Amino acid sequence: QVQLQESGPGLVTPSQTLSLTCSVSGASFTSSAYYWTWVRQRPGKGLEWIGYIFHNGQTNYNPSLRSRITISVDASKNEFSLKMTSVTAADAAMYYCARENHSLRPLGPLDPWGQGILVTVSS
Amino acid sequence: DIVLTQSPGTLSLSPGERATLSCRASQSITTNNLAWYQQKPGQAPRLLIHAASRRATGIPDRFSGSGSATDFTLTISRLEPEDFAVYFCQQYHDSVRTFGQGTKVEVK
Repeated sequence: QVQLQESGPGLVTPSQTLSLTCSVSGASFTSSAYYWTWVRQRPGKGLEWIGYIFHNGQTNYNPSLRSRITISVDASKNEFSLKMTSVTAADAAMYYCARENHSLRPLGPLDPWGQGILVTVSS
Repeated sequence: DIVLTQSPGTLSLSPGERATLSCRASQSITTNNLAWYQQKPGQAPRLLIHAASRRATGIPDRFSGSGSATDFTLTISRLEPEDFAVYFCQQYHDSVRTFGQGTKVEVK
């Protein structure tokens, strides 16, 4: 059974860098069928796609966040990470990692998701 | 980017009733690469439907998806108590993935 688990600081100081990691178990991390994805959800709001990374390091980012984010991968540890610079209160959210699954069709949905990690931005 | 607009914002129904949720796209999703997710309070979203009409593994057949191009629908044929939640649509047709703003299905 595939499981994803987010980890990282739950509190980030304004203007600093948010760093999160997603650990993947139960799946072939280097499969060509998967894109490893970050999504966030501000309190009481909808879902915002942040971006994804392929196991070889190829990335695709939301243009609205591209200047501030980096998604990286450590295939040897079955992990991928998100870094977001210059955070503000607007970046406070639940951050989810998820697998975009292309095993059935050329492109696929997000399944499964991690449980999420709540990030607060405050001094 | 493809903007997805969901309606209604809130749907007030009773258990056993039929729920019809709409997701309209600002551009045609010619591949039908559209998914529906269910989210309950304090939980991560869960995949219900992918490719517009294909149920994910383990999803009850009271959930069905339909539509094409710019108009998509999620139907819950008979609401069970555990179905009261927020539902999101998402397109993965475009390189920039986007979500709808959600429809809350609440108990009337």
